[in-house]
This record gives sequence, C-alpha cells and structure tokens, in this order.
Amino acid sequence: ETGVTQSPTHLIKTRGQQVTLRCSSQSGHNTVSWYQQALGQGPQFIFQYYREEENGRGNFPPRFSGLQFPNYSSELNVNALELDDSALYLCASSVQGNNEKLFFGSGTQLSVL
Amino acid sequence: AQSVTQLGSHVSVSEGALVLLRCNYSSSVPPYLFWYVQYPNQGLQLLLKYTTGATLVKGINGFEAEFKKSETSFHLTKPSAHMSDAAEYFCAVRASDRTALIFGKGTTLSVSS
Repeated sequence: ETGVTQSPTHLIKTRGQQVTLRCSSQSGHNTVSWYQQALGQGPQFIFQYYREEENGRGNFPPRFSGLQFPNYSSELNVNALELDDSALYLCASSVQGNNEKLFFGSGTQLSVL
Repeated sequence: AQSVTQLGSHVSVSEGALVLLRCNYSSSVPPYLFWYVQYPNQGLQLLLKYTTGATLVKGINGFEAEFKKSETSFHLTKPSAHMSDAAEYFCAVRASDRTALIFGKGTTLSVSS
C-alpha cells in the first residue's frame, strides 16, 4: 500500500508566475484535500475534490484552482503568485464519508521571490 | 463557526516528565476533534480523534486526550515524555460542512534529557 506522494518537494518561483503542484493519493482513497501551511501556522484548508469535482472550498481566491483525475490523483494550480503564497502545501487523501482520517503527504515547499 | 485555540506555542519538558498540550475549541455543532503530529520535513500524522462515545480517547505512541464539553477542551497528555516525542502538535476540529479540518496554530514540544 503506497502512501500519499507529492511533487516536487521544493519549488522556487517569481511573483506573478504560475505553479502546479501534484499529489498521488493513497491506494483506495477517492477524496483529496489541499492545505496551505504558512511558517509558524497550522494548515489552512484550500479545497477538497471528490469524483473529480470540487466539493468544498476554504477562504482562498479563485487563482487557487485544482483538478482531480480518474485515478484520484490531483493537482493544485496557483496563478499570479504573490509573496504571501510562500508556504508548505500539503495534500491529504481520505475515503469519502471518513474525512476525519486524513493521510497527509510530506508537502511541497513553495517559495515566491 | 468552528475554531481551535492552542494555549502555548512552545512547551518544554524533561524526558520522563508528563506532557500536557492544551486545546480549546469552539463549535456550533457537536464537535469531532483531532490531534495530529508533524515531525520535521514530514506531513501530519493522526495521533487520535474524538467523534462520539467515550470521552477519554487513546491514541498512538502512548498519547491520550479527554473531551470535556463543559470546558470546551480537548487536552493531549502523555504520562512520560520520550526524546522521540519532540515535534509540532496540532489540534483540529471538523468543519460543520464536514469537508475540512480547522487547525490550531500548533504547539512545539521540546524534550530534554
């Protein structure tokens, strides 16, 4: 049984650029959630995908968007990067109806210069 | 609306001493409560959770937490700290729409020999 894997592990971008982060969910999990963890803060919910559709969203602007694929893997896209987007981005997978048991990946550390 | 407050951003204990990490919550619905641990350069791992039923919950690595509705608290304890317990600990409550977890800002636990 494979765990949640995220790529890349580290990324450096310039303000105004676009970025795509990727996540492979744990085997058998059909739901993917994305969280942003700023330095010294707890994770903040960005959105959740189930059956390739967004079914929950936190307080993030539309330039944060996502996709879920038929194999349940997922992408997080961020357009028009801002300095405050610098953070650790965590992907978590779960089984729909059991969202309280999240399995997290190790995250992608994004630095925006 | 749901929220979590973790009292004390940093707790230091000696090896073998009692560990007590404090968490208070606010919830408009019966709460589902969680403790997650994050080791350096890793994602979050579920320690324990309270959903319904028994208010004293036992988790992994010897940790336990007690749900106290009258005090709106869910403090995490461990009778005897290990050096390997040094990490960041996050308390969380499930959002009312059941898609997200709302995390506190975290408590860094340091264990000295």
